[in-house]
Amino acid sequence: GAGVSQSPRYKVAKRGQDVALRCDPISGHVSLFWYQQALGQGPEFLTYFQNEAQLDKSGLPSDRFFAERPEGSVSTLKIQRTQQEDSAVYLCASSLAVFAGASYNEQFFGPGTRLTVL
Amino acid sequence: GDSVTQMEGPVTLSEEAFLTINCTYTATGYPSLFWYVQYPGEGLQLLLKATKADDKGSNKGFEATYRKETTSFHLEKGSVQVSDSAVYFCALPSSGGSYIPTFGRGTSLIVHP
Repeated sequence: GAGVSQSPRYKVAKRGQDVALRCDPISGHVSLFWYQQALGQGPEFLTYFQNEAQLDKSGLPSDRFFAERPEGSVSTLKIQRTQQEDSAVYLCASSLAVFAGASYNEQFFGPGTRLTVL
Repeated sequence: GDSVTQMEGPVTLSEEAFLTINCTYTATGYPSLFWYVQYPGEGLQLLLKATKADDKGSNKGFEATYRKETTSFHLEKGSVQVSDSAVYFCALPSSGGSYIPTFGRGTSLIVHP
């Protein structure tokens, strides 16, 4: 079946513009994660949803970053008033479920959206 | 907090050479440990995992043994192929119960024919 898809794959924005990045998780996956991957670094956690509920947003770097998953499926990461330091690859991942006390459920990653802020 | 440290890359090898990519971790307790692989232009994929001390994870000819005494989870492969060229990430889940992984910075592997 289809994996996790993300769009657009590449986005160039001028400093100060707003951007919206989309993630389509694997059908039936309850949990959805967003990560930010700077050049030459590993992914850094941004936020996590279980169905439509945003359970953890501790990794969002500022209040310019906002994520939603209104129907518990597709998710959008929005960055307002983009800055050059926002340039990175934004990864989305989904899994069947992740909840406290359970063993780790494998996350399936999308190919990412490369954001360049000029 | 919990963290992983990987050897810096790139690691450049000839085909059929032996591969080791070092990973050490700092964690509370004894978490599961993972290796992810990211091929060019693709998302990360789980390569292998080990859930307790002395466990060996293996997949696609790669192996890693969870060593509690040295807090290490080194990735090895006896004979690499050009198709193994990718970036490899060591990871462990957070200790807070959410199991959100903390990733190392990644090690790029380049295999020449």
